Amino acid sequence: AQSVTQPDIHITVSEGASLELRCNYSYGATPYLFWYVQSPGQGLQLLLKYFSGDTLVQGIKGFEAEFKRSQSSFNLRKPSVHWSDAAEYFCAVGAGQAGTALIFGKGTTLSVSS
Amino acid sequence: SAVISQKPSRDICQRGTSLTIQCQVDSQVTMMFWYRQQPGQSLTLIATANQGSEATYESGFVIDKFPISRPNLTFSTLTVSNMSPEDSSIYLCSALRLAGYNEQFFGPGTRLTVL
Repeated sequence: AQSVTQPDIHITVSEGASLELRCNYSYGATPYLFWYVQSPGQGLQLLLKYFSGDTLVQGIKGFEAEFKRSQSSFNLRKPSVHWSDAAEYFCAVGAGQAGTALIFGKGTTLSVSS
Repeated sequence: SAVISQKPSRDICQRGTSLTIQCQVDSQVTMMFWYRQQPGQSLTLIATANQGSEATYESGFVIDKFPISRPNLTFSTLTVSNMSPEDSSIYLCSALRLAGYNEQFFGPGTRLTVL
């Protein structure tokens, strides 16, 4: 069965420091992979997605993610975190028809300290 | 892009009652979905809303409890039936177009509290 694991429930990073959020997936075929962000009281916003091709994917707000098939991972990175990045981050794999039904990880809460 | 609105944005209901949540997209979309986000938890797919036919439910979700309609390409409803406190969650609608696999957009959610 498809699944997504985000090993870190909560991460605190100093403002200006680099960030890496981990995501591992289990999926039989070539996965469609996504990172979403949910700010308090806000809806979900897509940060980036991977379907095929270049394994390093650039997203919005300075985020990037690298697909590593050998490790079944799709980790999210940002070189310098801003206080406004504090939010809940969800990794998801697309299942079903054309990978449209999303299976989400449990999420990682990011706190940013000054 | 697509803008999705949901009504109501929140509600407090008594156990045993039912609530219908509406999802409206500002343009025609290929697929629409309903997700549940229980307190402090991740999102779980309830079902795919199919236009003009019965929804496709994920394991653990049944039509009697969560009837879904999708009469056209821009609108869907989810009903939470015979509610219990365990149904207290945020319910989110999402939509996407399959052409080139566009982004799956999410609505703002409906926060439901069942007393």
